[in-house]
Amino acid sequence: QLQLQESGPGLVKPSETLSLTCTVSGGPITSYNYYWGWIRQSPGKGLEWLGSVSYSGLTYRNPSLTSRVTVSRDTSKNQFSLNLSFMTAADTAVYYCARVLTGSQFDYWGQGTLVTVSS
Amino acid sequence: QSALTQPASVSGSPGQSITISCTGTSSDVGGYNYVSWYKQHPGKAPKLMIYDVSKRPSGVSNRFSGSKSGNTASLTISGLQAEDEADYYCCSYVGSPTFVVFGGGTKLTVL
Repeated sequence: QLQLQESGPGLVKPSETLSLTCTVSGGPITSYNYYWGWIRQSPGKGLEWLGSVSYSGLTYRNPSLTSRVTVSRDTSKNQFSLNLSFMTAADTAVYYCARVLTGSQFDYWGQGTLVTVSS
Repeated sequence: QSALTQPASVSGSPGQSITISCTGTSSDVGGYNYVSWYKQHPGKAPKLMIYDVSKRPSGVSNRFSGSKSGNTASLTISGLQAEDEADYYCCSYVGSPTFVVFGGGTKLTVL
């Protein structure tokens, strides 16, 4: 059974860079045609896709956050990561990692991790 | 890329059917048969309910169905049950390099 688990700081100061890691167990992140994504949800708000990395290492970023978002992977650890720079209070949210199949099929999700931006 | 448009809330009585719409453009919903729907309970991760417009993952009740016409996708839940009360989100592929866009979400209340 595939499992995803987010890890990272729960509290980040304004202007700092958030670094989150998603550890995948139960299957390699290099499996053909699978993508791995980051989605966040601000308190009381909807879902927002942040970025994804493909099985081959190609990356995709939300155009509204392109300058701040970096998505990467470490195949040796079966992990993929999110870096979000210049954090502000508006970035306070639950951050989820998920597996993506063709199109928009997010079929496996992590439990989510709450990140609060505060000094 | 703008978020897809969903009604903020819908409601129905047990046993009834409801439909949630998801309106986009020819660049997203209308351009690809890659619309998915997610159910989310408070404090929980979203759960995939429909993918590729109308396909159901294994284990999802056949009371859930999806369709699309032009730039609008729809999720229909028949035989409403109390456990269906949740937030529902649509999502559409929008092509490289943007990838996907989500709807704003719809709160379903079972009366």
